Amino acid sequence: SQQGEEDPQALSIQEGENATMNCSYKTSINNLQWYRQNSGRGLVHLILIRSNEREKHSGRLRVTLDTSKKSSSLLITASRAADTASYFCATETNAGKSTFGDGTTLTVKP
Amino acid sequence: EAGVVQSPRYKIIEKKQPVAFWCNPISGHNTLYWYLQNLGQGPELLIRYENEEAVDDSQLPKDRFSAERLKGVDSTLKIQPAELGDSAVYLCASSLGEATNTGELFFGEGSRLTVL
Repeated sequence: SQQGEEDPQALSIQEGENATMNCSYKTSINNLQWYRQNSGRGLVHLILIRSNEREKHSGRLRVTLDTSKKSSSLLITASRAADTASYFCATETNAGKSTFGDGTTLTVKP
Repeated sequence: EAGVVQSPRYKIIEKKQPVAFWCNPISGHNTLYWYLQNLGQGPELLIRYENEEAVDDSQLPKDRFSAERLKGVDSTLKIQPAELGDSAVYLCASSLGEATNTGELFFGEGSRLTVL
């Protein structure tokens, strides 16, 4: 079974709008990561947030982590058509095991 | 710097036939992973290597799947015999591992298997 669950499963927005995706998980983690996957391609690492961090920024990406609620969110600001992809959260345990959710499919309409 | 290289990109076989996938990780990456990804789902771990040692193969169906990582570098994943339900994308990933504890995985483009 998957550790992480993304919400929503699919998201469609207009270019320029912000996109927010959520991830919930079940067990204690060492860190949480977000990945992007374009259709037919491999996953690309976007950002990592450690269990003792609450918020992290990278360019147009903002990630938050609430360990008390076992949840994380990924915000993409000022979205572009090129942001169209599937986004996955992955949780890593202290044992070094990374487990992925089923992803959010983002469509950004030009 | 070259990324994770996988081959073949696509493979179509008849059921009950064998198939093998190859992965060359990023140079210096001690940890290597094989994931299975079904359509519309996230990757599921099959096996994780630390150097040449398989440290987590609990999700590998050992009756038909096997993997090896010779000399702690390249890795192969084999399925024999293949079943219809094995149709999926097989992803290889590597990371620096415990040396840096960054957790970032670098993925290859995947090998898409279709079993007829």
